Amino acid sequence: QVQLQQWGARLLKPSETLSLTCAVSGGSFSGYYWSWIRQSPGKGLEWIGEINHGGGTNYYPSLKSRVTISVDTSKNHFSLNLESVAAADTAIYYCARGYGSGWYDLWGQGALVTVSS
Amino acid sequence: QSVLTQPPSASGAPGQRVTISCSGSTSNVGSNFVYWYQQLPATAPKLLLYRNNQRPSGVPDRFSGSKSGTSASLAISGLRSEDEADYYCAAWDDSLRGVIFGGGTKMTVL
Repeated sequence: QVQLQQWGARLLKPSETLSLTCAVSGGSFSGYYWSWIRQSPGKGLEWIGEINHGGGTNYYPSLKSRVTISVDTSKNHFSLNLESVAAADTAIYYCARGYGSGWYDLWGQGALVTVSS
Repeated sequence: QSVLTQPPSASGAPGQRVTISCSGSTSNVGSNFVYWYQQLPATAPKLLLYRNNQRPSGVPDRFSGSKSGTSASLAISGLRSEDEADYYCAAWDDSLRGVIFGGGTKMTVL
């Protein structure tokens, strides 16, 4: 059974960098798009970005200047870095496996990240 | 961020057929596939439909999808209490070069 397991710091102060990692277990890492999606408390889903099997990345324009998604194929995991966080970045962050274009067939359990001074 | 427009709520009695709309533009729904997700309370979203109307293994055939022009729809027939959830549509946007989600529709089973 393929699973995505997330971890990372859950409480940050404004201006710090959010770092989350998502590990893929029980299945292949190659050939997919690996994405990060977040959901502010009580709100809808917001796409952050993706990295494909070739290492190419796409980021949502409004977050592009602060976001880096990277992959470590030797460890079967991928990571999200979001710089200069603010209270508006408080959200549940999900990692997801996909095929590009909004098609995600496997999601991590989600990680609530809170930004507060 | 929502560029796709969904009604905030929908409801129906058990056994009824209910539809949820997803309205976009030529740069997203009009030129790319639409995907639908179901999110039960306090859980991660689950893929419900891919490529407009295809059901992944395990999704009941009570769920169906369609697309016409710049709008798409999710239909749930034979509504059941376990269908109470939030539903989101998603599509790639060629102008933004990113994935956009609808604002979500909260389904209530009366």
